[in-house]
Amino acid sequence: QSALTQPHSVSGSPGQSVTISCTGTSSDVGGYNYVSWYQQHPGKAPKLMIYDVTKRPSGVPDRFSGSKSGNTASLTISGLQAEDEADYYCCSYAGSYTLVFGGGTKVTVL
Amino acid sequence: EVQLLESGGGLVQPGGSLRLSCGASGFTFSDFAMSWVRQAPGKGLEWVSGISGSGTGTYYADSVKGRFTISRDNSKNTLFLQMNSLRGEDTAIYYCARDKTKVDYWGQGTLVTVSS
Repeated sequence: QSALTQPHSVSGSPGQSVTISCTGTSSDVGGYNYVSWYQQHPGKAPKLMIYDVTKRPSGVPDRFSGSKSGNTASLTISGLQAEDEADYYCCSYAGSYTLVFGGGTKVTVL
Repeated sequence: EVQLLESGGGLVQPGGSLRLSCGASGFTFSDFAMSWVRQAPGKGLEWVSGISGSGTGTYYADSVKGRFTISRDNSKNTLFLQMNSLRGEDTAIYYCARDKTKVDYWGQGTLVTVSS
């Protein structure tokens, strides 16, 4: 049950694209197509942004996209906007009703 | 509209116990697995425990195994987390969360502080 590995921070200017990586193992990220991503603003509950690696819930802008290759998943935010500044967490199903989260990445809009 | 409302948090001494509750509405509660996810102050998210829709399957993170017990009452649409032998490192906001392979809905969280 080790946490998934994410960069501590990424930054970009408005309109640019940023990508956050999320590295796990064959027991979690690599073993299931159940990677999800969450956005969390200070003092707020997390919000689901991507699920099942690439799917977006209703209401999430298409600027947010997900992908996976082997044991590493990625979240890309295109056309970065000021309101995208937040903490982002990846998460993977790890079998038997268990989930494992990444350590979180702070996205800064310059 | 799906709603999850946690309660039961508070200040407890090390070694003490606390029982969290989560009232659910807006969906067929028994159709969904549920989890508890916590977030220590200034830290990241940590999955704590999960339970199947029927309640027959329960699962725990190594950090709480043997100390915490998850349960549910499908007749009352309520999820529980019994926390015993609490430690300082259990201090966190505890979120009630819906689903098994992702969390599509979160509660607002309840703060548990373990301190003497």
